[in-house]
Amino acid sequence: DIVLTQSPGTMSLSPGERATLSCRASQSVSSSYLAWYQQKPGQAPRLLIYGASSRATGIPDRFSGSGSGTDFTLTISRLEPEDFAVYYCQQYDSSPWTFGQGTKVEIK
Amino acid sequence: EVQLVESGGGLVEPGRSLRLSCTTSGFTFGDYAMSWFRQAPGKGLEWVGFIRSKPYGGTTEEAASVKGRFTISRDDSKSIAYLQMNSLKTEDTAVYYCTRYSGVVPAARFDSWGQGTLVTVAS
Repeated sequence: DIVLTQSPGTMSLSPGERATLSCRASQSVSSSYLAWYQQKPGQAPRLLIYGASSRATGIPDRFSGSGSGTDFTLTISRLEPEDFAVYYCQQYDSSPWTFGQGTKVEIK
Repeated sequence: EVQLVESGGGLVEPGRSLRLSCTTSGFTFGDYAMSWFRQAPGKGLEWVGFIRSKPYGGTTEEAASVKGRFTISRDDSKSIAYLQMNSLKTEDTAVYYCTRYSGVVPAARFDSWGQGTLVTVAS
């Protein structure tokens, strides 16, 4: 199974700051099958990024994804109040499809 | 508007069965693969299973943790996906989400999620 390790586990930032979230895979993942999700308490995950760098419909351009192989990054250029949430990366290149354990972005 | 609505969750005793439904609207259901994920209370996300669209064989895949106990099916005439869960264990307690899979590479993605339905396995 491909293990995805996200870091940091929690990051404390202020609105307006830049957030850089990391997702490292235990083996190479095709960029076509790497996604990022945002999840708020009591809500379903929301697709942000697919194909490592493509924004999903309706996602603001302050969210961007990059990376390849085993190292992927989600960047939020300027945090808005509604961006404080938990973020998960997911690979669906190799079954079983797996998620990282999540990064919580909290208000400092 | 694409909508996915899960139903059928609830409290069930260990060893019993439950069937979840994912009722969809707003798109041509038969053109899409569907998948189920779950999230145990306070935990991360876990893939449960997947069913391809009929043009791609309608075949299924399940995670090792549920293989042999859970079965995914679909009724394209009703635009509903199902998750049949047998021999339930306490560790199956989770919110179960169904998702639509748009599978055209390089744009393959799980682009729509239901709101989830809670399954609690306890005596």
